[in-house]
Amino acid sequence: EAGVTQFPSHSVIEKGQTVTLRCDPISGHDNLYWYRRVMGKEIKFLLHFVKESKQDESGMPNNRFLAERTGGTYSTLKVQPAELEDSGVYFCASSQAPRDWGGYTFGSGTRLTVV
Amino acid sequence: SQQGEEDPQALSIQEGENATMNCSYKTSINNLQWYRQNSGRGLVHLILIRSNEREKHSGRLRVTLDTSKKSSSLLITASRAADTASYFCATSGNTPLVFGKGTRLSVIA
Repeated sequence: EAGVTQFPSHSVIEKGQTVTLRCDPISGHDNLYWYRRVMGKEIKFLLHFVKESKQDESGMPNNRFLAERTGGTYSTLKVQPAELEDSGVYFCASSQAPRDWGGYTFGSGTRLTVV
Repeated sequence: SQQGEEDPQALSIQEGENATMNCSYKTSINNLQWYRQNSGRGLVHLILIRSNEREKHSGRLRVTLDTSKKSSSLLITASRAADTASYFCATSGNTPLVFGKGTRLSVIA
């Protein structure tokens, strides 16, 4: 089966611009998660979808970040306007079982560089 | 909030040697997982140990869990150059997976 797919793999944008990251989970996985790793720091949870609904968005840093999962399939994470501190690697993961079961499948990540 | 903290932050060893990484966390958990990230690539799930388990093996990996000390260790035996990567522990409880900052392992051929 295909794994979790993220694109683009790398994005370089200027401060103030908009970037949209996409994640295609494993087919049939209702649970989709976004995480990010800012340079040199820990990997932090952003939000969790169950199908098309936001189950937990407690990790979203501010209202410049907007995540959607229309139709409960792929998800997008938009950053508008991007700031320098948004640079990092954004990971997406999916799972069949709810979040506390563990064993997520992660994508390869999108490396975002804001200059 | 609970948080995995890996130790050491960086580790450099010769091929064939064993590598041990430690992780501490703060609150009660359902399970603890270890992930690997190769440079520029995604996170790969290595092993999961449940809170009622004390030790688990998978190939060259050995994980221990001490819930009384809120700590875990990951041992990689007979390391290879391909093991060079960042290793993260992540705790799972009533909150989403919480990761630490990771240990950067370099295996020198």
